[in-house]
Amino acid sequence: DAGVIQSPRHEVTEMGQEVTLRCKPISGHNSLFWYRQTMMRGLELLIYFNNNVPIDDSGMPEDRFSAKMPNASFSTLKIQPSEPRDSAVYFCASRPDPTDTQYFGPGTRLTVL
Amino acid sequence: GESVGLHLPTLSVQEGDNSIINCAYSNSASDYFIWYKQESGKGPQFIIDIRSNMDKRQGQRVTVLLNKTVKHLSLQIAATQPGDSAVYFCAELGQAGTALIFGKGTTLSVSS
Repeated sequence: DAGVIQSPRHEVTEMGQEVTLRCKPISGHNSLFWYRQTMMRGLELLIYFNNNVPIDDSGMPEDRFSAKMPNASFSTLKIQPSEPRDSAVYFCASRPDPTDTQYFGPGTRLTVL
Repeated sequence: GESVGLHLPTLSVQEGDNSIINCAYSNSASDYFIWYKQESGKGPQFIIDIRSNMDKRQGQRVTVLLNKTVKHLSLQIAATQPGDSAVYFCAELGQAGTALIFGKGTTLSVSS
């Protein structure tokens, strides 16, 4: 099993640019989560989906952030426009069923200059 | 104003010692708990879990203890090795179908 796949692994961009992070969950998993990790705030939940439907997006910082899950095998997290304070490691995780653990991808390290 | 960084609790042990990492969880209704290990530059990795109908569960070199009375979770690592050096997070599931709630993490440093 390939595990959760994220791309890119590293992204460096300039303030104001659009950034798109991608995630492929583990096949058969029906929940997908986006987290952000920084030294200041630790691991923060941004949004999660059950069966491709967004359930809780209360962690999305502001309207500059949006997430989609068009099918069971793909999700994107988009930041437009990006700002330096968005610099962080973004993790995607998936879960096979509602009472099981979450499996994390390797993360995307985003740097906004 | 001055910004303050997140200070993770740290635990420093010698190789071969037993390590105990503690966690206080918040929701008395939570019925599923997990410990994760995060190495530098990697995502959190599942170590061991426990359901609320148990108070102890053992894995390979790791044991998780759950005390629901005081809402306390601990991870014991036997014969700690340098490869165990990482940040350890506890997580709880308050309600089926929701997202895990993560603790702040503890940094374990193992010296040989």
